[in-house]
Amino acid sequence: GAGVSQSPSNKVTEKGKDVELRCDPISGHTALYWYRQSLGQGLEFLIYFQGNSAPDKSGLPSDRFSAERTGGSVSTLTIQRTQQEDSAVYLCASSLAFAGYTFGSGTRLTVV
Amino acid sequence: DAKTTQPPSMDCAEGRAANLPCNHSTISGNEYVYWYRQIHSQGPQYIIHGLKNNETNEMASLIITEDRKSSTLILPHATLRDTAVYYCIVRANAGGTSYGKLTFGQGTILTVHP
Repeated sequence: GAGVSQSPSNKVTEKGKDVELRCDPISGHTALYWYRQSLGQGLEFLIYFQGNSAPDKSGLPSDRFSAERTGGSVSTLTIQRTQQEDSAVYLCASSLAFAGYTFGSGTRLTVV
Repeated sequence: DAKTTQPPSMDCAEGRAANLPCNHSTISGNEYVYWYRQIHSQGPQYIIHGLKNNETNEMASLIITEDRKSSTLILPHATLRDTAVYYCIVRANAGGTSYGKLTFGQGTILTVHP
């Protein structure tokens, strides 16, 4: 597609449930990043993919968070046993090698 | 990656030039200066980047000092739609352990008023 697509755009879930967030990067972009942004806060790095491998997972806040990327394209961020502090906008970005990023519009996750 | 320092907020009158400063005194020789902006409720948007020469595109100009310890993003004719948080980031573009990761600070909240 023309841009980075994220789905769903909004997700409300009950505390303790698992959620999956999807990112479709720009075709051909080898690098893919996940960030999150809590209300009124800056962007927090979560994980980086180069192709299907994740050389940097240092930003994942706990073992409830995981991500995978298949076919060098679509990525899924999974949060297990969601907590209220997981509420945030989850942003995905892709880029060619070390070029500038293109961000998606994000998924707004609300844990109630 | 080198740390950057930006003023927390700035104001600008519509139609005037907005000059947003950024200090990056510990920048390394292989690190580029990137500017992004985030308009409310949207994902960040790439604006411009440069290494040591001044750069210009359809959105903005980037002026980097000769010693590369600071830079200025210039929006030549600010409009109300330029109201956003502007992030200055330095990042190596080739190899190393940063993997091209962008580390966002708090940025500058630019408010363009009529």
